[in-house]
Amino acid sequence: DQQVKQNSPSLSVQEGRISILNCDYTNSMFDYFLWYKKYPAEGPTFLISISSIKDKNEDGRFTVFLNKSAKHLSLHIVPSQPGDSAVYFCAANDRGSTLGRLYFGRGTQLTVWP
Amino acid sequence: DVKVTQSSRYLVKRTGEKVFLECVQDMDHENMFWYRQDPGLGLRLIYFSYDVKMKEKGDIPEGYSVSREKKERFSLILESASTNQTSMYLCASSFSGGIGTYEQYFGPGTRLTVT
Repeated sequence: DQQVKQNSPSLSVQEGRISILNCDYTNSMFDYFLWYKKYPAEGPTFLISISSIKDKNEDGRFTVFLNKSAKHLSLHIVPSQPGDSAVYFCAANDRGSTLGRLYFGRGTQLTVWP
Repeated sequence: DVKVTQSSRYLVKRTGEKVFLECVQDMDHENMFWYRQDPGLGLRLIYFSYDVKMKEKGDIPEGYSVSREKKERFSLILESASTNQTSMYLCASSFSGGIGTYEQYFGPGTRLTVT
């Protein structure tokens, strides 16, 4: 049973607009959340993270929002650029638990068109 | 910079062959992971290791085994390759505890085709 869910397999956005990628989780013990970006034929690369003690974290054009009561997080990309076209994975971890395992969603393919 | 390397980018094997995928990391990470990525299924954890000679099953360990004889090296073994093991295989590593972020660093992946 998936503990991290990305319900939108794909998202298409025009260049310059905002991209919003969503992620839901079921395990209330998760306390750290990460977003990864993956280009074809490459390994995923870390993008941004947030601890459960915060509700927002920004890094340049990327902002992650966390709503613990709804068990929901989102990644905002503003403004979107064609180079942002990639698969984005949401991941979660219970840092009090075992062994550094991350639980990944199935990913959302973002396409940014000119 | 953290570097995770995988022995091959592309590999073609025949059904029934024994296949070895090697992964090496240079950051003295305690944890190492093997995933496979398939369209629509995301990243699925096969096995992971939190110390030398230690291993834990992930979500899809059937048909695979692993070996970690040295801290920097984690091998994935397909005992008898089958066509349903055609996939992209990704290795990752991370620190254990303490820092507490558990950010994983990934290698470039091995695209395995079993014919």
